[in-house]
Amino acid sequence: GDSVTQMEGPVTLSEEAFLTINCTYTATGYPSLFWYVQYPGEGLQLLLKATKADDKGSNKGFEATYRKETTSFHLEKGSVQVSDSAVYFCALSSPSSGGGADGLTFGKGTHLIIQP
Amino acid sequence: NAGVTQTPKFQVLKTGQSMTLQCAQDMNHEYMSWYRQDPGMGLRLIHYSVGAGITDQGEVPNGYNVSRSTTEDFPLRLLSAAPSQTSVYFCASSYSGIRTGTEGYGYTFGSGTRLTVV
Repeated sequence: GDSVTQMEGPVTLSEEAFLTINCTYTATGYPSLFWYVQYPGEGLQLLLKATKADDKGSNKGFEATYRKETTSFHLEKGSVQVSDSAVYFCALSSPSSGGGADGLTFGKGTHLIIQP
Repeated sequence: NAGVTQTPKFQVLKTGQSMTLQCAQDMNHEYMSWYRQDPGMGLRLIHYSVGAGITDQGEVPNGYNVSRSTTEDFPLRLLSAAPSQTSVYFCASSYSGIRTGTEGYGYTFGSGTRLTVV
């Protein structure tokens, strides 16, 4: 079945540091890929997505590129802020499931802590 | 524009009690699903629906029932609560990929229900 693997952390960085959170996946066909963010006490918010190989999703200074050859979708940000502290989830929806009809497959989440 | 609304936000149940977690969306989304979030486990799919009258089981369906009588509502029922069902529950909805012509439109999540079973 489909699966998503991501570094679990916690990842602790200083403000203005460069961020990379690794995400790799296993899926049949060509899934769509997502990063969701969960701030303390809140639900999940879609951060960015990519629906085909070599697509780059971007939002709020975060970027991730869909790499089919390495089955990866690593999240990056050039200069993190304290307000970026949250849990980040990598997820996929498989075309074999009708493009997400049966929900998303999530990684376990990466807890990011940014220190001033 | 309410999005996905979940009620209640917090609930404490005794073992064996029953309850319904409510979920409503006002975006005319076809797809709806329920997840539970547990420490170190990420989010796991409980049940999902691709439209009114159609539901199916996800990864961890035991102990939960769902129905989808309207496009807007997708309640989750716990018939006899157990301590193992202590968790945070999220409801989510999405347009179908086929409708938008784009696979994996992305789900909109509710703010969650924190359930404790004692």
